Amino acid sequence: AQTVTQSQPEMSVQEAETVTLSCTYDTSESDYYLFWYKQPPSRQMILVIRQEAYKQQNATENRFSVNFQKAAKSFSLKISDSQLGDAAMYFCAYVGTGANNLFFGTGTRLTVIP
Amino acid sequence: NAGVTQTPKFQVLKTGQSMTLQCAQDMNHEYMSWYRQDPGMGLRLIHYSVGAGITDQGEVPNGYNVSRSTTEDFPLRLLSAAPSQTSVYFCASRGTSELETQYFGPGTRLLVL
Repeated sequence: AQTVTQSQPEMSVQEAETVTLSCTYDTSESDYYLFWYKQPPSRQMILVIRQEAYKQQNATENRFSVNFQKAAKSFSLKISDSQLGDAAMYFCAYVGTGANNLFFGTGTRLTVIP
Repeated sequence: NAGVTQTPKFQVLKTGQSMTLQCAQDMNHEYMSWYRQDPGMGLRLIHYSVGAGITDQGEVPNGYNVSRSTTEDFPLRLLSAAPSQTSVYFCASRGTSELETQYFGPGTRLLVL
């Protein structure tokens, strides 16, 4: 089975600074998708960014960008110009193309310091 | 669009009681699923459906039943609640053109005493 590992249970960042959250995954598949979801205290799971494995270009959504290293099976999230509203749990997730199970990591709790 | 909605938001059950967690989506998505989230863990798939009348088991299906009579609704049934089913439950949906992206409901927090 696929596994997703987030080795940083907690991270903190000063407001307006940049922080990078790490994620590694294990798979034998060549075609898949990777996601970062944000979970604020409201518990709502909010999609932050998506990366298709067949695309070499790293995905970017405003202040959020990823560093996707397919050979290393690494998928880190960079948050630039951190804002207080970025404080949340962040989950990395993997799904094989056409598969039904979205595999999640255990999450990283991000604190933003004013 | 309301997106994915779930009811109730919070529920307390006694061991052995049954209940149904409701999930509905108004995006005409074919795929719907149920996940549970436990402390210190990511979400784990319970059951999923790829269309009306079609359901299948996920990673942790024991103690749960599902059915899919319409495209919009995908209820999750606990037949005899156990304390181990204390968790937060999320429903999600995905359309065929969504590049495998699942959209989640707000969650239902369930406490089994």
